[in-house]
Amino acid sequence: DAGVIQSPRHEVTEMGQEVTLRCKPISGHDYLFWYRQTMMRGLELLIYFNNNVPIDDSGMPEDRFSAKMPNASFSTLKIQPSEPRDSAVYFCASSLGLVGSGGDKNIQYFGAGTRLSVL
Amino acid sequence: AQKITQTQPGMFVQEKEAVTLDCTYDTSDPSYGLFWYKQPSSGEMIFLIYQGSYDQQNATEGRYSLNFQKARKSANLVISASQLGDSAMYFCAMRERNTGNQFYFGTGTSLTVIP
Repeated sequence: DAGVIQSPRHEVTEMGQEVTLRCKPISGHDYLFWYRQTMMRGLELLIYFNNNVPIDDSGMPEDRFSAKMPNASFSTLKIQPSEPRDSAVYFCASSLGLVGSGGDKNIQYFGAGTRLSVL
Repeated sequence: AQKITQTQPGMFVQEKEAVTLDCTYDTSDPSYGLFWYKQPSSGEMIFLIYQGSYDQQNATEGRYSLNFQKARKSANLVISASQLGDSAMYFCAMRERNTGNQFYFGTGTSLTVIP
């Protein structure tokens, strides 16, 4: 398997523009997670899905952020309008469902991340 | 309360020596998993090792081992025979069944291996 695939790897945009980040999870994984990482705040969970349904979006900073998972192989994280404080590395990760099922099935695999710079 | 606590912001170790990175966790769920990830300066998050709450033995993966002390709620990572390439940020994480399979991450420990 190719692993979790994120695109683009780098995005530079101007304040006020719409930004769309994309993620393809590992085939067969039923959990998908979006994280944001900054020096100041560390690694933050934004939202996660189970079987394409959002389970917890309490980490989404504000209404400018939205995430969708239209099918099992694709998810997007959209920021509209973007602001300089949104500059961060955004990770997508996927896994199988859980603990109790045992061993390596519980591992969460990360994509390479999207480095977003909002000027 | 923090779910995962990593109290060592930075650590140094001499090449070829062993090093222990500390991690404590907080949960009342009997079913959980503990993970360690490595993040080198290139930025990717690399899975290292996993320990299930019901596993009787400490997990090992090559030079990595997880010192699992359930009663103390501790899951320290031990890296043996450190190499220069081990210099990176290390994150401890936990996943609980009862909180909807969410992952909780610590703030990380920056490890520097000195030649």
